[in-house]
Amino acid sequence: DIQMTQSPSTLSASVGDRVTITCRASQSISSWLAWYQQKPGKAPKLLIYKASSLESGVPSRFSGSGSGTEFTLTIGSLQPDDFATYYCQQYNYYGTFGQGTKVEIK
Amino acid sequence: QVQLVQSGAEVKKPGASVKVSCKASGYSFTSKYLHWVRQAPGQGLEWMGIIIPSDGSASYVQKFQGRVTMTRDTSTSTVYMEMSRLRSEDTAVYYCARSNPRAGDYLDYWGQGTLVTVSS
Repeated sequence: DIQMTQSPSTLSASVGDRVTITCRASQSISSWLAWYQQKPGKAPKLLIYKASSLESGVPSRFSGSGSGTEFTLTIGSLQPDDFATYYCQQYNYYGTFGQGTKVEIK
Repeated sequence: QVQLVQSGAEVKKPGASVKVSCKASGYSFTSKYLHWVRQAPGQGLEWMGIIIPSDGSASYVQKFQGRVTMTRDTSTSTVYMEMSRLRSEDTAVYYCARSNPRAGDYLDYWGQGTLVTVSS
């Protein structure tokens, strides 16, 4: 099975900060990686697919990069609406999620 | 517009079974795949398995094999996830989500979630 490891688990940041979240796969997944945002009591929302493609309607301050086993999600300038939990998911084989990164207000 | 509407919350006793439904609309039901993902209280997302509505075939994560069955009804554009021999650890919100096999199995639309509580 492919394991996904996200870091950090929690991140404290201020509005306007540049934020980076890392996701590592236990084996190569090419670019078959997605990022989701989840707010309390809500279903996850797709942000990025195929490692770096921005889903329609998602603000351009969100970007993704990486391939193989190492990936990053960057929020260019953190906005109040961005405080949430973020998950990566590999879909190279089945669909394992990372454990999540909670972005908190500093 | 694409919608996935799930059935309501369930309370079950340990050892019982539960069947959660997910009704799709706004797209061609048999042209996309549907997945089930669960989230225990305060925990992360756990991918459970996938069903292909066009032929009804399904694949499950090994930990759920033998206890979870995913089915579909093409006449109502509905998929179902049935879990048997429920344990307290199965208490979670269960989500269905859609993927486009032509683009890759990322999950572009999600249901609203169904809370399943297992308690004696």
